[in-house]
Amino acid sequence: EAGVAQSPRYKIIEKRQSVAFWCNPISGHATLYWYQQILGQGPKLLIQFQNNGVVDDSQLPKDRFSAERLKGVDSTLKIQPAKLEDSAVYLCASSSYRERSSYNEQFFGPGTRLTVL
Amino acid sequence: AQSVSQHNHHVILSEAASLELGCNYSYGGTVNLFWYVQYPGQHLQLLLKYFSGDPLVKGIKGFEAEFIKSKFSFNLRKPSVQWSDTAEYFCAVRDSSASKIIFGSGTRLSIRP
Repeated sequence: EAGVAQSPRYKIIEKRQSVAFWCNPISGHATLYWYQQILGQGPKLLIQFQNNGVVDDSQLPKDRFSAERLKGVDSTLKIQPAKLEDSAVYLCASSSYRERSSYNEQFFGPGTRLTVL
Repeated sequence: AQSVSQHNHHVILSEAASLELGCNYSYGGTVNLFWYVQYPGQHLQLLLKYFSGDPLVKGIKGFEAEFIKSKFSFNLRKPSVQWSDTAEYFCAVRDSSASKIIFGSGTRLSIRP
């Protein structure tokens, strides 16, 4: 079974530039998550999708971050414009779905390491 | 709001030493608890989880964790570590009525061969 795929693996940009990350979840997984992991910290959930609908985006800085999951499969996360503090690893995870209150193991991708100069 | 504390940022042990990594959480309701591991160059993966029942949970590779409700703790243990256990370990908590997981800041474990 193929795992969660992410690209690019590394990205270096100047502040105020824009950047986009792509995620392809495990086939059949209805739930998709984007996390931000700043150096020295644990992953922090940015947004959770159930199929192509947003379940939780309470910690997404909506003035500069956006995400979409067209057709309920692949997803893109965009930052525009980037700030120095956005330097982090951006992790995508996916899980199957039974019901909202049930636990479904999250499978993580390799992440995209973003450096903002 | 839920939070997770991992007090040890970096632990260095020799092979065959015993391991205990601390994890405390703050939440008054029913929780599910997890330990995730990230080996060098690999993806974050689930090591073990506690939902209910026996508070002593066994995971992969000889790891175990004990849920102590009165102490809001879920410490990770292994009686004898190996060099291959070198990794970053994350404790996480989930409100049992939601799907969101809150991660701790992680503990980097280095094993001297």
